[in-house]
Amino acid sequence: EAGVTQSPTHLIKTRGQQATLRCSPISGHTSVYWYQQALGLGLQFLLWYDEGEERNRGNFPPRFSGRQFPNYSSELNVNALELEDSALYLCASSFLRRAEAFFGQGTRLTVV
Amino acid sequence: AQSVTQLDSQVPVFEEAPVELRCNYSSSVSVYLFWYVQYPNQGLQLLLKYLSGSTLVESINGFEAEFNKSQTSFHLRKPSVHISDTAEYFCAVSPPTYTGNQFYFGTGTSLTVIP
Repeated sequence: EAGVTQSPTHLIKTRGQQATLRCSPISGHTSVYWYQQALGLGLQFLLWYDEGEERNRGNFPPRFSGRQFPNYSSELNVNALELEDSALYLCASSFLRRAEAFFGQGTRLTVV
Repeated sequence: AQSVTQLDSQVPVFEEAPVELRCNYSSSVSVYLFWYVQYPNQGLQLLLKYLSGSTLVESINGFEAEFNKSQTSFHLRKPSVHISDTAEYFCAVSPPTYTGNQFYFGTGTSLTVIP
């Protein structure tokens, strides 16, 4: 069984640009979560999608947005990139009422 | 609202010594509890979980954690650590709902095993 896959692995952008990060959940999983892991700040919750709908959103500005597609894959968009957006972005998936979340390897976003 | 506190940001320990990584949570409802491990430049891997039943849960690589409802704790222990246990460890809670689970993570504990 394939795990959670994220692409790209690394992404380098300049300040002010837009970044798009992609996540494919484990087959059959309907929930997708996005987290930001900046150096020294632990995991900060960004977004939670389930069945195509946004269920909850963390304390991030509106330039962080995303969506979930009918096949349950997800996309995270970050507009007007700032230097402090440089971080590892982790995607996780879980199945309705199954307990644990399974994580991808992350996308390392560097803003220069 | 749920929150998770990992009291120790860094824990150095000598090889073959015991270790305890502390995790406390606050929640007004029953929760599921998890420990995840993150090796450098990788995603998080589930180490162990408590859903219900026995309050002591074990992983395949010798870690164990005990759910203590009265103290709202879920501390992670290992009687003898190995160099390969060096990693970042995250405690997480999830209040189960009909529509799915929201996961709340602690800030992590960096375990460094010293030869």
